[in-house]
This record gives sequence, C-alpha cells and structure tokens, in this order.
Amino acid sequence: NAGVTQTPKFQVLKTGQSMTLQCAQDMNHEYMSWYRQDPGMGLRLIHYSVGAGITDQGEVPNGYNVSRSTTEDFPLRLLSAAPSQTSVYFCASREQGTPLEAFFGQGTRLTVV
Amino acid sequence: AQKITQTQPGMFVQEKEAVTLDCTYDTSDQSYGLFWYKQPSSGEMIFLIYQGSYDEQNATEGRYSLNFQKARKSANLVISASQLGDSAMYFCAMRRYKGGGSNYKLTFGKGTLLTVNP
Repeated sequence: NAGVTQTPKFQVLKTGQSMTLQCAQDMNHEYMSWYRQDPGMGLRLIHYSVGAGITDQGEVPNGYNVSRSTTEDFPLRLLSAAPSQTSVYFCASREQGTPLEAFFGQGTRLTVV
Repeated sequence: AQKITQTQPGMFVQEKEAVTLDCTYDTSDQSYGLFWYKQPSSGEMIFLIYQGSYDEQNATEGRYSLNFQKARKSANLVISASQLGDSAMYFCAMRRYKGGGSNYKLTFGKGTLLTVNP
C-alpha cells in the first residue's frame, strides 16, 4: 500500500549512542517532515524538507540532523542520544500545492536510557 | 506565535450520540488552515478534516464536521452518531500561510481523549 513507512517501530538506545530513524514515502510528495510527540503534548516539528536537497529546522531541532538526498527518503539522525529525546517520532508527507499534511507514518517509539 | 488550546483533556459519550470536541486558536494571521487528527491507541495519526480560514462553509467529512467560528477563533470538531471505534485521542492543529518556513509547521494542541461507551 502507498504511504509513509517508518522504521524501526521501537528502539531502545543508551545515552550517547547514535542512530537513524528511517522514513520513506512512495507518493512522490515534495514535502516531508519529522515531529516528536511527548506525553501531554501535541506533536512538535523537528525538521522539514520541501524537496530533495532542501531541509530546514522546525520548532525543536537541537540534537537532530536530517538530509534529503532523494524525494522518497527523509532520515532523522540522533547524533548522541539523550534521555530527553525519549519520545514517539512521526514522519509526515504531503503533496505540493495542497494545504493538507494528511499522510503520517506509523511512528517510532524511542527510549533513551 | 500561534497557539492551539484544547480545554477538554477527556470526554465521554454514549454510542450513537453526537459529541463536540473544543478547539480554540490564537493567531494574528488572516490566512491559515485548521486540521483535526485522530490517534487511536495503536498510535498512528489519521487525518480527519480540514478548514481553510477563507472557507465560508463549515467543512464536513462523513460523520465529522468542523464548526468554524472565525470571530471567536474556534474550530470545534463534531462527531455525529458516535461509534465504539471513535474512542481515541483527537488533536486540533493549525498551519499559517504567510510565506517562508512558517508554512510548513503544524502547531498542535495537547489533545482530547474521547471514550465512547456502549
């Protein structure tokens, strides 16, 4: 099925470890973004991309890097994981020219110990 | 800065009844969009309905309708004929359309947990 695919679904990291959360979409969407969801809060934007080769920071970018080498993929990198990065991470995409951010991945639940 | 307020942490409704989930927003922009998402216990985010600030008619999508009152800055979600499967967390969100990076950010409220009782 077409959509946004995130891997892994669950991950436990030790403080200081690095890892990459993968996000891929097969709908040829230009816009992709990463959000984090913490208990008692709505989603907050980490980074976004408006097309291959173009990324920018969102609301809470510290501790995260992104790149967009292809239209399909938008990985999120944690360079040195901290317990404050324990969260659920969502990748989202939308079509150019529409106001909707209607396609979300299933989420990645990350725990940093 | 934009802000979304959902004042109901939890709501209960009987099956087959209608329920209204409240959402108020704060923005000085004239052009913006309002969204509602459903997050069931399985965790995925499901888009429900969208309302543009210049849309004159309230948005409807099946059993979902958005009661948009621009002067009061409210965008309440109405679910008619509730079903057990409607039990979930519901988030209201907004995006401004002002140009530049701000166009790409969805600002979310903290959510309302809806429980539908049989």
